[in-house]
Amino acid sequence: DTGVSQNPRHKITKRGQNVTFRCDPISEHNRLYWYRQTLGQGPEFLTYFQNEAQLEKSRLLSDRFSAERPKGSFSTLEIQRTEQGDSAMYLCASSPAPSTDTQYFGPGTRLTVL
Amino acid sequence: GENVEQHPSTLSVQEGDSAVIKCTYSDSASNYFPWYKQELGKRPQLIIDIRSNVGEKKDQRIAVTLNKTAKHFSLHITETQPEDSAVYFCAASKGGSYIPTFGRGTSLIVHP
Repeated sequence: DTGVSQNPRHKITKRGQNVTFRCDPISEHNRLYWYRQTLGQGPEFLTYFQNEAQLEKSRLLSDRFSAERPKGSFSTLEIQRTEQGDSAMYLCASSPAPSTDTQYFGPGTRLTVL
Repeated sequence: GENVEQHPSTLSVQEGDSAVIKCTYSDSASNYFPWYKQELGKRPQLIIDIRSNVGEKKDQRIAVTLNKTAKHFSLHITETQPEDSAVYFCAASKGGSYIPTFGRGTSLIVHP
């Protein structure tokens, strides 16, 4: 499968713990986006990278959230001191932008904070 | 920032009927409007998109129309089939960062 992949697919953690998710984009896609999706809502933008540079962060991304894309390939999203309100599906998407603005989504990581 | 409103939230049709989902956007600078289909537990998948220099686009049973003046765009599905049942999201974005703002989704149910 040459699509966007995400790991783990599911994560259950206790409040206060740290979690880290990984996203592997489609090869040679230089843009990578992170979104959060809660039940009954569309995806909400969190942050995006152009190669290894993090170019924009949403106000939704509190200081407990950090994202990296160290070599311009895979990316990680870390949430520190998780709260119950962090429970959501975390989606990653990649794009060959600026040649096209089409984004391809991964299957997501479902986080449950107990 | 951009605000995208999507209606209806739920749409129930009989197999073979047409379905129409409507979205409005607020930022006149938005110029790219994708539609995504998301089946239960699956990733959002792009089904069709339209850019602001085009008024209509078709792909088999799916079409999208755009009215820039009124700032609204619509998804039309003809001859619906049970496998069309899913949540459909519209989105609007503009060139540069291409960060889309999504609507809240429409749950389409096609009854056999």
